[in-house]
Amino acid sequence: DIQMTQSPSSLSASVGDRVTITCRASQGISNDLAWYQQKPGKVPELLIYGASTLQSGVPSRFSGSGSGTDFALTISSLQPEDVATYYCQNYNSAPLTFGGGTKAEIK
Amino acid sequence: EVQLVESGGGLIQPGGSLRLSCAASGFTFSSYAMTWVRQAPGKGLEWVSVISATGGTIFYADSVKDRFTISRDNSKNTLYLQMNSLRVEDTALYFCAKGYGSATYNAFDYWGQGTLVTVSS
Repeated sequence: DIQMTQSPSSLSASVGDRVTITCRASQGISNDLAWYQQKPGKVPELLIYGASTLQSGVPSRFSGSGSGTDFALTISSLQPEDVATYYCQNYNSAPLTFGGGTKAEIK
Repeated sequence: EVQLVESGGGLIQPGGSLRLSCAASGFTFSSYAMTWVRQAPGKGLEWVSVISATGGTIFYADSVKDRFTISRDNSKNTLYLQMNSLRVEDTALYFCAKGYGSATYNAFDYWGQGTLVTVSS
């Protein structure tokens, strides 16, 4: 089974900072990688699919990159409304595993 | 507007059974794969199972294999999860979610609000 490892598990940054979350797959998954945002008490929302394609309605400060085993989610300028936990997910093959999550907070 | 509404959760004793339902509307249900994802209290997301648009292809997480059964009724626009031999560690909020495209393996672009399953004696 493919394992998805996210880092860091938590981050604290100032408003306006550029932040990057990484996700590593235990074997190559091409670009079959999605990122989700889950705000406190809310349902997860799809941010990015295909490793780098922004879902409709998602602010352009979010971007995704990578292919194969190494991926990244970047927020170019962190905003207060970005406080959330972020998850990567493999959808190359079953099991469709999620990473452990990265909790983002404002310093 | 896409809507996914889960139901069927509740308090159940270890070893018991529950059937979750997910009523879908606002899209052509029979054209999309559907999935169940769960989240234990205070924990991360755990993928549970996926079913293709026609129901002909199904996969499960190892943690639920041989105990849970996913199914769908495309005539009723409804997804199901039959859960047997429930364990304390199955306690979680269970979400249904819609696949982004027509492929069975896909990202999930719409999620329901979830239904809470609590397994406890």
